[in-house]
Amino acid sequence: SYVLTQPPSVSVAPGETATISCGGDNIGSKTVYWYHQKSGQAPVLVVAYDSERRSGMRFSGSNSGNTATLTISRVEAGDEADYYCQVWDSSRDLVVFGGGTELTVL
Amino acid sequence: DVQLLESGGGLVHPGGSLRLSCVASTFSFTTYAMSWVRRAPGEGLEWVSSITNTAGNTYYATSVRGRFTISRDNAKKTLYLQLNSLGVEDTAVYYCAKHLEGVTSGSGLDIWGQGTMVTVSS
Repeated sequence: SYVLTQPPSVSVAPGETATISCGGDNIGSKTVYWYHQKSGQAPVLVVAYDSERRSGMRFSGSNSGNTATLTISRVEAGDEADYYCQVWDSSRDLVVFGGGTELTVL
Repeated sequence: DVQLLESGGGLVHPGGSLRLSCVASTFSFTTYAMSWVRRAPGEGLEWVSSITNTAGNTYYATSVRGRFTISRDNAKKTLYLQLNSLGVEDTAVYYCAKHLEGVTSGSGLDIWGQGTMVTVSS
């Protein structure tokens, strides 16, 4: 089955830029979505179609080769959450999520 | 605001069954594919099942295929998930979510409900 690999955790200081990677075999040929989920809340879509920024958010995405990347600019304490990448595995008709990355703001 | 409201969760014994519902409001339910996604305690998001806008196609995670059934009633703007032969590993918060498109292929999830908790325990 198709596997998406994310780092378990990323730490960043307030005001800095955070990057979260999502590795997968030739992921650049797939469409990637990114979500964040804060404690006790539902997931929220933050980047669609590889790089489409959702309105009002400081998130951006890129996707090429074997790695997709989520970039969070001017990180704030309120950005602390679990972040997930997601694709559709067309070979098996499955939605696939990465294992998730816990973002900590120092 | 676009909303999804889940219900039907609860405590069930191993081997038992539950039926989850998700009622949609304020968007054209018949236009979009829908999915169920769960998050077990201490774990990440796990996709469970999807259904296209016309219910012409359904898809299941390997872990639930043959035990869970997804369906929808477009007239009632409601998504369902029938959970049978439940095991402790099915304990999780179950979310319904709306796809960006009518098909699931290549389509992400832009609107999520608040979730309903399913606890499987003896």
